[in-house]
Amino acid sequence: GIQVEQSPPDLILQEGANSTLRCNFSDSVNNLQWFHQNPWGQLINLFYIPSGTKQNGRLSATTVATERYSLLYISSSQTTDSGVYFCAVVGSGAGSYQLTFGKGTKLSVIP
Amino acid sequence: NAGVTQTPKFRVLKTGQSMTLLCAQDMNHEYMYWYRQDPGMGLRLIHYSVGEGTTAKGEVPDGYNVSRLKKQNFLLGLESAAPSQTSVYFCASRRGGIYNEQFFGPGTRLTVL
Repeated sequence: GIQVEQSPPDLILQEGANSTLRCNFSDSVNNLQWFHQNPWGQLINLFYIPSGTKQNGRLSATTVATERYSLLYISSSQTTDSGVYFCAVVGSGAGSYQLTFGKGTKLSVIP
Repeated sequence: NAGVTQTPKFRVLKTGQSMTLLCAQDMNHEYMYWYRQDPGMGLRLIHYSVGEGTTAKGEVPDGYNVSRLKKQNFLLGLESAAPSQTSVYFCASRRGGIYNEQFFGPGTRLTVL
């Protein structure tokens, strides 16, 4: 099946700093989603982005499907951005449209 | 619009006991999924359903059964719980068709002693 790799696995930022999280995938995809899992365990949909670029406030994402990667940008980070960020994809051959998740990037934003 | 809801939020079982987790969605979605999340891992698919009355196995189906008698509900059963099933369980749903987003419930934290 499709493989999803996220980097870095851990990231510590000072409040106000910017960061870039990367997601590489091993095959062509129909869908790609970015999630934030907050410290209470909730999974929050950030972006649905199978291709192109989207922005939502301080967050933006870019997916280059032909090169099999996606990037999540966080600008002016805040302590509330802490948590784990997951990239998940639907392989183009997945008839169930199931999401395959990476292992996540754990972000800690310190004041 | 409640979205995807899960019942219960927490549960502690003894080895060998059985239980059912309930997932409900009010978005009229065709597809529903059960995932489990273990420490330091992403989510892995247990079972899924592409419509009322249908179910199929995912990546880690052993020890679980599911049913989808109504379109809005997807039940996950553990017939004889084992400590290896200690995990956080997430339900998700999406509309049919290729290019659609998946939405997740708040999760159920299950501990098997």
